[in-house]
Amino acid sequence: DTEVTQTPKHLVMGMTNKKSLKCEQHMGHRAMYWYKQKAKKPPELMFVYSYEKLSINESVPSRFSPECPNSSLLNLHLHALQPEDSALYLCASSQEGQLSYEQYFGPGTRLTVT
Amino acid sequence: SQQGEEDPQALSIQEGENATMNCSYKTSINNLQWYRQNSGRGLVHLILIRSNEREKHSGRLRVTLDTSKKSSSLLITASRAADTASYFCATWMDSSYKLIFGSGTRLLVRP
Repeated sequence: DTEVTQTPKHLVMGMTNKKSLKCEQHMGHRAMYWYKQKAKKPPELMFVYSYEKLSINESVPSRFSPECPNSSLLNLHLHALQPEDSALYLCASSQEGQLSYEQYFGPGTRLTVT
Repeated sequence: SQQGEEDPQALSIQEGENATMNCSYKTSINNLQWYRQNSGRGLVHLILIRSNEREKHSGRLRVTLDTSKKSSSLLITASRAADTASYFCATWMDSSYKLIFGSGTRLLVRP
């Protein structure tokens, strides 16, 4: 199984809502990532988890809260988002916690904040 | 922050032609990777070339790396309509401990 799954595929939320994005992989990878991608732009790294511990936070606003419950799951909790947070949110993983290996991406969650 | 700049930003070719995309970067790298992204979807890893390698092939893909010029190129031979996508280079630097993506090239292959 070389797949990274993400749910939901699409999410529309108001600025006062609380929602969560979920990501799952069963490749035994020990590094997992959240990226944000705006239209026609490259992905921008948000968070990195290595061996279930947060290792990189790219100065992301606290309205985004990551969580790694176990080695297969990664969540991104959303609260009080702004319209400019509307984007494609991508999850990725790489093997053995070696962050220089190739990354496997999920299909993304298209988030719209109204 | 963006490490890589890609050129051209957009490329339109006829099916069967070759497509060449270039990537330039600013600082020393551990490896350089190329990814493909179909419209609005996740990225797919294509090829990884390490800093001590000069050329790598995978099927119809050929990647070169010139560390003296801090540049890489991706050649897709005998292109197909299904190759239509955005292509990103991404560099890994041990100093930053993360993968940084270039600006991307949007490739359109006309049938």
